[in-house]
Amino acid sequence: GENVGLHLPTLSVQEGDNSIINCAYSNSASDYFIWYKQESGKGPQFIIDIRSNMDKRQGQRVTVLLNKTVKHLSLQIAATQPGDSAVYFCAERKTNRDDKIIFGKGTRLHILP
Amino acid sequence: DSGVTQTPKHLITATGQRVTLRCSPRSGDLSVYWYQQSLDQGLQFLIQYYNGEERAKGNILERFSAQQFPDLHSELNLSSLELGDSALYFCASSRRQYGYTFGSGTRLTVV
Repeated sequence: GENVGLHLPTLSVQEGDNSIINCAYSNSASDYFIWYKQESGKGPQFIIDIRSNMDKRQGQRVTVLLNKTVKHLSLQIAATQPGDSAVYFCAERKTNRDDKIIFGKGTRLHILP
Repeated sequence: DSGVTQTPKHLITATGQRVTLRCSPRSGDLSVYWYQQSLDQGLQFLIQYYNGEERAKGNILERFSAQQFPDLHSELNLSSLELGDSALYFCASSRRQYGYTFGSGTRLTVV
């Protein structure tokens, strides 16, 4: 079935340190795995995605790792800043006619000064 | 501004009532998706429309319905409202092979 979930509901990280947010999924048929950031009072904002045939993709200060063997997805944020405080959702998507995105429950990232 | 417009931003209504939430997708996007987000919960997929036609249905209650009009804007109708329907309702739009863009949501409070 479709089940994208997160290991930890809250993560506290010192400003300047790297953050790692983890996610487990169960649907191996997804074509894309995606990370979204949601700040208070706003809609989810796309951060980065990765195709299912890749194992790593880098963006600006962010890296997504995909381990299909253990169905694990992670988001690494380098040099975490106060503006990174938000809830982070992993999600999955197919690219066929039914291309809805299925979201996990989210991890709240707290940045400690 | 993401380009996806949702109105109203806030809505307070009584149990048993009916409300309509509106979404204008980003220019050029043919797909519209509706999601419900309850307090401290993830986003639950409700329904998807593509160019006016229903394409996928998720955990949408029978009291809820949606449609997409020829100008591609979409409306989500919630009827016989219950306290548990209080939530954030998000609309997103996309075009083929591209990611979603979400609106800022409508916060519905049922009292």
